[in-house]
Amino acid sequence: KQEVTQIPAALSVPEGENLVLNCSFTDSAIYNLQWFRQDPGKGLTSLLLIQSSQREQTSGRLNASLDKSSGRSTLYIAASQPGDSATYLCAAGGATNKLIFGTGTLLAVQP
Amino acid sequence: KAGVTQTPRYLIKTRGQQVTLSCSPISGHRSVSWYQQTPGQGLQFLFEYFSETQRNKGNFPGRFSGRQFSNSRSEMNVSTLELGDSALYLCASSSIPRQGTNEKLFFGSGTQLSVL
Repeated sequence: KQEVTQIPAALSVPEGENLVLNCSFTDSAIYNLQWFRQDPGKGLTSLLLIQSSQREQTSGRLNASLDKSSGRSTLYIAASQPGDSATYLCAAGGATNKLIFGTGTLLAVQP
Repeated sequence: KAGVTQTPRYLIKTRGQQVTLSCSPISGHRSVSWYQQTPGQGLQFLFEYFSETQRNKGNFPGRFSGRQFSNSRSEMNVSTLELGDSALYLCASSSIPRQGTNEKLFFGSGTQLSVL
């Protein structure tokens, strides 16, 4: 049974700092790994999707990496801004399109 | 292009009642998935519909059901509500043509259900 864990549960950083969010999964037989952002009381916004054959994906100040053999993914945010404050969720996708989500990292970027 | 639309945004019900939530996917998307989000359990998969057929199902009791219409709009129904059903219910759509395809999911803003 796939289990997804995210560390840390919460993170507070000053504006401008580079930061890394961690995601680990127990079953390496994934089809993809996705990162989402959730603002309070809102739905999820897809940030990056890494296919199982890929090692990383980049979008603007965001870079996500995937290491299937070790069961880990990281989300790197460069030059953080107050607008980046949100909960970040990773999710492992398998053969059935069902996503298994981690519990999220609550990020606060202080101006 | 309009995003995923969920109605209603908020809902208050009492124990024992039933509720129906609605989801309109992005135009052209034929796959609709439902997730339950609670502070204690996080996000959990309920079910996925594709072309009016339930393709995948999570580990929820039979009180939770859904359906999809020919225009890809989907509804989920919860019967005999319990206090523990209080949650944010999220709908997501995708253009996934077949299982295991790597496509992004687009989520709606959710329906916040409170059971009193």
